[in-house]
Amino acid sequence: GESVGLHLPTLSVQEGDNSIINCAYSNSASDYFIWYKQESGKGPQFIIDIRSNMDKRQGQRVTVLLNKTVKHLSLQIAATQPGDSAVYFCAEDSGGGADGLTFGKGTHLIIQP
Amino acid sequence: KAGVTQTPRYLIKTRGQQVTLSCSPISGHRSVSWYQQTPGQGLQFLFEYFSETQRNKGNFPGRFSGRQFSNSRSEMNVSTLELGDSALYLCASSLARGAGPGKTQYFGPGTRLLVL
Repeated sequence: GESVGLHLPTLSVQEGDNSIINCAYSNSASDYFIWYKQESGKGPQFIIDIRSNMDKRQGQRVTVLLNKTVKHLSLQIAATQPGDSAVYFCAEDSGGGADGLTFGKGTHLIIQP
Repeated sequence: KAGVTQTPRYLIKTRGQQVTLSCSPISGHRSVSWYQQTPGQGLQFLFEYFSETQRNKGNFPGRFSGRQFSNSRSEMNVSTLELGDSALYLCASSLARGAGPGKTQYFGPGTRLLVL
Protein backbone atom coordinates (compact mmCIF):
# COMPACT_ATOMS: atom_id res chain seq x y z
CA GLY A 1 0.00 0.00 0.00
CA GLU A 2 0.87 3.64 -0.11
CA SER A 3 3.28 4.77 2.55
CA VAL A 4 2.21 8.36 2.68
CA GLY A 5 -1.27 9.61 2.00
CA LEU A 6 -3.50 12.62 2.34
CA HIS A 7 -6.97 12.69 3.80
CA LEU A 8 -8.62 14.95 1.22
CA PRO A 9 -7.98 15.20 -2.52
CA THR A 10 -9.44 18.73 -2.67
CA LEU A 11 -9.63 21.51 -0.11
CA SER A 12 -11.48 24.74 -0.78
CA VAL A 13 -10.87 27.77 1.44
CA GLN A 14 -11.76 31.43 1.40
CA GLU A 15 -9.03 33.91 0.63
CA GLY A 16 -7.62 35.23 3.89
CA ASP A 17 -8.60 32.16 5.91
CA ASN A 18 -6.10 29.68 7.29
CA SER A 19 -5.68 26.37 5.46
CA ILE A 20 -4.85 23.05 7.04
CA ILE A 21 -3.71 20.19 4.83
CA ASN A 22 -3.36 16.79 6.43
CA CYS A 23 -1.22 13.78 5.73
CA ALA A 24 -1.07 10.32 7.26
CA TYR A 25 1.99 8.14 6.99
CA SER A 26 2.37 4.48 7.78
CA ASN A 27 6.09 3.93 8.21
CA SER A 28 6.98 4.59 11.82
CA ALA A 29 10.66 4.41 10.86
CA SER A 30 10.41 7.57 8.75
CA ASP A 31 12.55 10.27 10.24
CA TYR A 32 12.22 13.16 7.83
CA PHE A 33 9.19 14.76 6.22
CA ILE A 34 8.77 17.43 3.60
CA TRP A 35 5.92 19.43 2.15
CA TYR A 36 6.03 20.37 -1.50
CA LYS A 37 3.77 22.66 -3.51
CA GLN A 38 3.14 21.98 -7.17
CA GLU A 39 1.54 24.57 -9.40
CA SER A 40 0.08 23.68 -12.75
CA GLY A 41 2.79 23.02 -15.31
CA LYS A 42 5.61 23.18 -12.80
CA GLY A 43 7.66 20.80 -10.75
CA PRO A 44 7.20 20.43 -6.98
CA GLN A 45 8.53 23.35 -4.98
CA PHE A 46 9.99 22.81 -1.51
CA ILE A 47 7.95 24.52 1.22
CA ILE A 48 9.13 23.26 4.58
CA ASP A 49 10.57 20.18 6.21
CA ILE A 50 10.66 18.63 9.65
CA ARG A 51 12.70 15.95 11.35
CA SER A 52 11.10 13.28 13.46
CA ASN A 53 12.68 14.67 16.64
CA MET A 54 10.55 17.80 16.28
CA ASP A 55 6.81 18.36 16.74
CA LYS A 56 6.50 21.72 15.03
CA ARG A 57 8.38 23.90 12.66
CA GLN A 58 7.46 27.33 11.36
CA GLY A 59 8.31 29.11 8.17
CA GLN A 60 6.97 32.18 6.48
CA ARG A 61 3.17 31.86 6.75
CA VAL A 62 3.50 28.08 6.99
CA THR A 63 3.71 25.71 9.92
CA VAL A 64 4.24 21.98 9.84
CA LEU A 65 3.06 19.82 12.71
CA LEU A 66 4.18 16.27 13.28
CA ASN A 67 2.35 13.83 15.53
CA LYS A 68 4.39 10.66 15.69
CA THR A 69 1.94 8.94 18.01
CA VAL A 70 -0.74 8.80 15.35
CA LYS A 71 1.64 9.14 12.41
CA HIS A 72 0.08 12.35 11.19
CA LEU A 73 1.58 15.38 9.48
CA SER A 74 -0.15 18.67 8.73
CA LEU A 75 0.65 21.84 6.88
CA GLN A 76 -0.95 25.06 8.05
CA ILE A 77 -0.98 28.06 5.73
CA ALA A 78 -1.86 31.35 7.35
CA ALA A 79 -3.93 34.01 5.56
CA THR A 80 -4.32 31.98 2.37
CA GLN A 81 -3.70 33.93 -0.81
CA PRO A 82 -4.64 33.23 -4.45
CA GLY A 83 -1.01 32.33 -5.12
CA ASP A 84 -1.33 29.45 -2.67
CA SER A 85 -3.60 27.62 -5.08
CA ALA A 86 -1.74 24.43 -6.00
CA VAL A 87 -1.46 20.74 -5.23
CA TYR A 88 0.32 20.06 -1.96
CA PHE A 89 2.26 16.86 -1.37
CA CYS A 90 3.73 15.47 1.76
CA ALA A 91 6.77 13.27 1.35
CA GLU A 92 8.75 11.10 3.70
CA ASP A 93 12.21 9.67 3.81
CA SER A 94 11.71 6.20 5.17
CA GLY A 95 14.89 4.58 3.98
CA GLY A 96 17.58 6.81 5.36
CA GLY A 97 17.75 8.38 1.95
CA ALA A 98 18.29 5.07 0.25
CA ASP A 99 14.93 4.80 -1.45
CA GLY A 100 14.29 8.36 -2.47
CA LEU A 101 11.31 10.24 -1.19
CA THR A 102 7.90 8.59 -0.85
CA PHE A 103 5.13 10.96 -1.83
CA GLY A 104 1.46 11.06 -1.00
CA LYS A 105 -1.06 11.61 -3.76
CA GLY A 106 -1.59 15.27 -3.00
CA THR A 107 -4.29 17.70 -1.96
CA HIS A 108 -5.51 20.32 -4.39
CA LEU A 109 -5.96 23.59 -2.52
CA ILE A 110 -8.54 25.86 -4.12
CA ILE A 111 -8.81 29.48 -3.03
CA GLN A 112 -12.25 31.04 -3.16
CA PRO A 113 -12.32 34.84 -3.62
CA LYS B 1 21.45 30.71 -9.15
CA ALA B 2 19.67 28.92 -11.97
CA GLY B 3 17.29 26.14 -11.04
CA VAL B 4 17.05 22.61 -12.31
CA THR B 5 16.47 22.49 -16.04
CA GLN B 6 14.99 19.63 -18.02
CA THR B 7 14.84 19.08 -21.74
CA PRO B 8 12.75 18.59 -23.69
CA ARG B 9 9.67 19.88 -21.92
CA TYR B 10 7.26 17.89 -24.07
CA LEU B 11 7.69 14.75 -26.09
CA ILE B 12 5.44 12.50 -28.13
CA LYS B 13 6.58 8.99 -28.96
CA THR B 14 4.96 5.79 -30.19
CA ARG B 15 4.96 2.39 -28.57
CA GLY B 16 8.18 0.49 -28.99
CA GLN B 17 10.34 3.54 -29.42
CA GLN B 18 12.93 4.66 -26.95
CA VAL B 19 13.41 8.08 -25.40
CA THR B 20 16.16 10.01 -23.64
CA LEU B 21 15.45 12.84 -21.24
CA SER B 22 18.01 15.29 -19.93
CA CYS B 23 18.43 17.05 -16.60
CA SER B 24 20.88 19.76 -15.59
CA PRO B 25 21.09 20.15 -11.81
CA ILE B 26 21.58 23.32 -9.84
CA SER B 27 25.21 24.41 -9.98
CA GLY B 28 27.15 22.66 -7.24
CA HIS B 29 24.59 19.91 -6.74
CA ARG B 30 26.02 16.46 -7.23
CA SER B 31 22.99 14.27 -6.66
CA VAL B 32 20.26 13.86 -9.26
CA SER B 33 17.09 11.88 -8.63
CA TRP B 34 14.39 11.02 -11.12
CA TYR B 35 10.70 10.59 -10.42
CA GLN B 36 7.71 9.58 -12.50
CA GLN B 37 4.42 11.38 -11.91
CA THR B 38 1.10 10.00 -13.14
CA PRO B 39 -2.50 10.73 -12.08
CA GLY B 40 -2.98 7.16 -10.94
CA GLN B 41 0.27 6.42 -9.13
CA GLY B 42 1.36 9.91 -8.13
CA LEU B 43 5.05 10.65 -7.72
CA GLN B 44 7.25 7.59 -7.71
CA PHE B 45 11.00 7.38 -7.25
CA LEU B 46 12.90 6.00 -10.22
CA PHE B 47 16.57 6.26 -9.31
CA GLU B 48 19.29 8.48 -7.92
CA TYR B 49 22.71 9.25 -9.32
CA PHE B 50 25.68 10.60 -7.42
CA SER B 51 29.24 10.89 -8.64
CA GLU B 52 28.28 9.26 -11.93
CA THR B 53 27.00 6.14 -10.18
CA GLN B 54 23.47 4.92 -9.67
CA ARG B 55 23.03 4.80 -5.91
CA ASN B 56 19.41 3.83 -5.48
CA LYS B 57 16.66 2.48 -7.67
CA GLY B 58 12.92 2.37 -7.28
CA ASN B 59 10.57 -0.38 -8.31
CA PHE B 60 10.65 0.09 -12.06
CA PRO B 61 11.51 -2.38 -14.85
CA GLY B 62 14.91 -2.51 -16.46
CA ARG B 63 13.58 -0.54 -19.44
CA PHE B 64 14.17 2.51 -17.30
CA SER B 65 17.81 3.43 -17.03
CA GLY B 66 19.95 6.48 -16.57
CA ARG B 67 23.39 7.87 -16.29
CA GLN B 68 25.23 10.83 -14.88
CA PHE B 69 28.10 12.72 -16.38
CA SER B 70 31.14 14.23 -14.71
CA ASN B 71 29.47 17.66 -14.67
CA SER B 72 26.53 16.10 -12.73
CA ARG B 73 24.14 16.41 -15.65
CA SER B 74 21.97 13.35 -15.92
CA GLU B 75 19.99 11.55 -18.57
CA MET B 76 17.32 8.93 -18.24
CA ASN B 77 16.37 6.51 -20.94
CA VAL B 78 13.24 4.49 -21.43
CA SER B 79 13.42 1.73 -24.01
CA THR B 80 10.57 -0.10 -25.71
CA LEU B 81 8.01 2.47 -24.67
CA GLU B 82 4.60 1.34 -23.47
CA LEU B 83 1.38 3.36 -23.28
CA GLY B 84 1.66 3.29 -19.50
CA ASP B 85 4.94 5.17 -19.65
CA SER B 86 3.03 8.35 -20.46
CA ALA B 87 3.81 10.59 -17.53
CA LEU B 88 5.56 13.67 -16.26
CA TYR B 89 9.18 12.82 -15.57
CA LEU B 90 10.72 14.97 -12.90
CA CYS B 91 14.32 15.46 -12.03
CA ALA B 92 15.46 16.72 -8.64
CA SER B 93 18.92 17.79 -7.57
CA SER B 94 20.48 18.11 -4.15
CA LEU B 95 23.87 18.84 -2.67
CA ALA B 96 24.41 15.35 -1.32
CA ARG B 97 23.10 11.89 -1.98
CA GLY B 98 19.96 10.54 -0.44
CA ALA B 99 17.14 12.45 1.16
CA GLY B 100 17.12 14.13 4.52
CA PRO B 101 17.85 17.37 6.34
CA GLY B 102 20.39 19.47 4.52
CA LYS B 103 19.83 17.43 1.40
CA THR B 104 16.72 19.16 0.14
CA GLN B 105 15.69 17.99 -3.29
CA TYR B 106 14.88 20.77 -5.73
CA PHE B 107 12.76 19.81 -8.69
CA GLY B 108 12.84 20.85 -12.32
CA PRO B 109 9.70 21.59 -14.37
CA GLY B 110 9.59 18.07 -15.76
CA THR B 111 9.35 16.49 -19.18
CA ARG B 112 5.86 15.48 -20.20
CA LEU B 113 6.02 12.29 -22.24
CA LEU B 114 3.06 11.05 -24.23
CA VAL B 115 3.25 7.57 -25.70
CA LEU B 116 0.81 6.82 -28.52
